[in-house]
Amino acid sequence: EDQVTQSPEALRLQEGESSSLNCSYTVSGLRGLFWYRQDPGKGPEFLFTLYSAGEEKEKERLKATLTKKESFLHITAPKPEDSATYLCAVPVPSNTGKLIFGQGTTLQVKP
Amino acid sequence: NAGVTQTPKFQVLKTGQSMTLQCAQDMNHEYMSWYRQDPGMGLRLIHYSVGAGITDQGEVPNGYNVSRSTTEDFPLRLLSAAPSQTSVYFCASSYARGYEQYFGPGTRLTVT
Repeated sequence: EDQVTQSPEALRLQEGESSSLNCSYTVSGLRGLFWYRQDPGKGPEFLFTLYSAGEEKEKERLKATLTKKESFLHITAPKPEDSATYLCAVPVPSNTGKLIFGQGTTLQVKP
Repeated sequence: NAGVTQTPKFQVLKTGQSMTLQCAQDMNHEYMSWYRQDPGMGLRLIHYSVGAGITDQGEVPNGYNVSRSTTEDFPLRLLSAAPSQTSVYFCASSYARGYEQYFGPGTRLTVT
């Protein structure tokens, strides 16, 4: 069964304390993996697309990496404004355009 | 570019009423979709469209209708609102199927 699992569900960090969020997937023929950030009361905001194992993308304090079975979102020296829910998603293999979303990791960064 | 816009932002309906949630995008995207987001359930796909005149069902289509007469607009119609349809609704669009999707700000719907 095609599935996307994120861990941990919730993460509390002190400002400046680096960590990683995990997104593991069981999808045959991966056609890309997307990371989103969602703030309370808002729509998901697109962050990154990764297409192949070994690929990395960076934006400010965030770096996303991809292996054959999982993706990591590394947060370096986070600030309170990085607090949000982070979602990952993969397209279903049938190429209908549908996305399978993980349940998300809610990150709280305390000053 | 305004991106993906949704109206209204908030709506309260009584059971049995009907309404249309509006969604528009100005990026000339082929692919558009509607999701609902509920606590503990994540984002669930209601309906999607791969181009003007073409729509299909997602995971949870019952009680909802869509049409896509133009590339820009993808309205979602609730036929007879039920309390189970209380949720936050997001519209999204992408250049084509398989590409990253861009989300609107959402409509928070309460059905009493």
